[in-house]
Amino acid sequence: SQKIEQNSEALNIQEGKTATLTCNYTNYSPAYLQWYRQDPGRGPVFLLLIRENEKEKRKERLKVTFDTTLKQSLFHITASQPADSATYLCAGTRDNYGQNFVFGPGTRLSVLP
Amino acid sequence: GAVVSQHPSWVICKSGTSVKIECRSLDFQATTMFWYRQFPKQSLMLMATSNEGSKATYEQGVEKDKFLINHASLTLSTLTVTSAHPEDSSFYICSAREGGHYEQYFGPGTRLTVT
Repeated sequence: SQKIEQNSEALNIQEGKTATLTCNYTNYSPAYLQWYRQDPGRGPVFLLLIRENEKEKRKERLKVTFDTTLKQSLFHITASQPADSATYLCAGTRDNYGQNFVFGPGTRLSVLP
Repeated sequence: GAVVSQHPSWVICKSGTSVKIECRSLDFQATTMFWYRQFPKQSLMLMATSNEGSKATYEQGVEKDKFLINHASLTLSTLTVTSAHPEDSSFYICSAREGGHYEQYFGPGTRLTVT
C-alpha cells in the first residue's frame, strides 16, 4: 500500500541549529508533497508544497527538497527557535489526480534553548 | 487568507445521540473538502472526501451510514456522527481545497467525547 514514513518520531536540537526532518514514500510516486506543522490539540497548518519536478523550495527559514531517485523529501528549519517546537507532518498525493493525501506519522521537533 | 473554521471546537455527548460538526471555508470557495480523524499521538486518517454537490467518497472501513457528510455549498461541509459510541471519541479535523489549487487548508479541529 502507498505509504509515507517519517524516520524520526522525535527530534531534539539546540536553538540556532538547523533541524532536518526526513520523509520517505513507498509504493507510489506522488506528484507533489506537502509539509504541515501541527501543535497539540490544533489542526495542521500548511507550510510548503513541492512538486516532483522541483528539486528545492524555500520560504523564509524553511527549505524543502524532493529527490525522486531516493524517494525522499527533506525539510529544513534554519536558525531554529524554541517557537519552532511542534509536530511536522509530511503528506504525499495518493493518486495521479492530486485529490487525496497520505499523511506520515509526523516528527515531534523540540528546539531546546 | 485561506482560513477554515470548525464548529464546535469541542463537544461532549451521550452514547446513542448524534453530533453534527460544521466546517467552513471563510475566504475561498472549497470545491473539495476532506474529513480526518486523529487519535492521540497518531497521524491523520482520512475518512472521506467530498466535492461540492456530490456524494462523499468514503475510505475503506469508514461506515457511511454512521458518518454522514454533506457538502451542500462551496463554503460549508458538515459531518454528522450518528448514534455515537465511546469508541467514536476522537479529534475530527476538516480541510478544504480550492479548485485548481493543490494546498489543503485545515480547520482547528473538533474534540468529540462520547460518554
